[in-house]
Amino acid sequence: DAGITQSPRHKVTETGTPVTLRCHQTENHRYMYWYRQDPGHGLRLIHYSYGVKDTDKGEVSDGYSVSRSKTEDFLLTLESATSSQTSVYFCAAQRVGNTEAFFGQGTRLTVV
Amino acid sequence: DAKTTQPPSMDCAEGRAANLPCNHSTISGNEYVYWYRQIHSQGPQYIIHGLKNNETNEMASLIITEDRKSSTLILPHATLRDTAVYYCIVRSMEYGNKLVFGAGTILRVKS
Repeated sequence: DAGITQSPRHKVTETGTPVTLRCHQTENHRYMYWYRQDPGHGLRLIHYSYGVKDTDKGEVSDGYSVSRSKTEDFLLTLESATSSQTSVYFCAAQRVGNTEAFFGQGTRLTVV
Repeated sequence: DAKTTQPPSMDCAEGRAANLPCNHSTISGNEYVYWYRQIHSQGPQYIIHGLKNNETNEMASLIITEDRKSSTLILPHATLRDTAVYYCIVRSMEYGNKLVFGAGTILRVKS
């Protein structure tokens, strides 16, 4: 898993509350990604980062923000959680160049 | 990045070779073909990648056609544990480029 840790692994939260998910990596990979996966769907890119303080939007970024103040941490924030954001969230990290991406084990988020 | 097209599902008998196709007809010269798989809601796992030559590692072989418009992932002796969703991705090495997944192929290995 190349030292990818997601926290928390499971969370239940109420609609309208802010939620922050953390992705931590120990291998100094430059690229980091956040995806969501819903039943019957593939992984959809939310946001990604190609370096400290360099982030960009993916295909489903509405309602999400990210921050990357250190190489090892990539935070995903739901400013005001909605039921449509109930999902499994995956983080990934990748070195620059022709390399593989390593994924965390996922965070299951339920918004009630 | 170029789009990819994969069949939604395939079956394979245990012990036989599984051949998973992927079309990427708009691939450009600096784009690599990557394969990942996801086993039952775990995080995706890297399998193999290539540019234009065929590649082989301990998990699989990747065959890319000469015109690079399609490729095939080969699992030489499929086992029940190879049942998973397999994703074919095309990605360039340009700085800041993102990793985008499509729908993938559900491979069911049956005994």
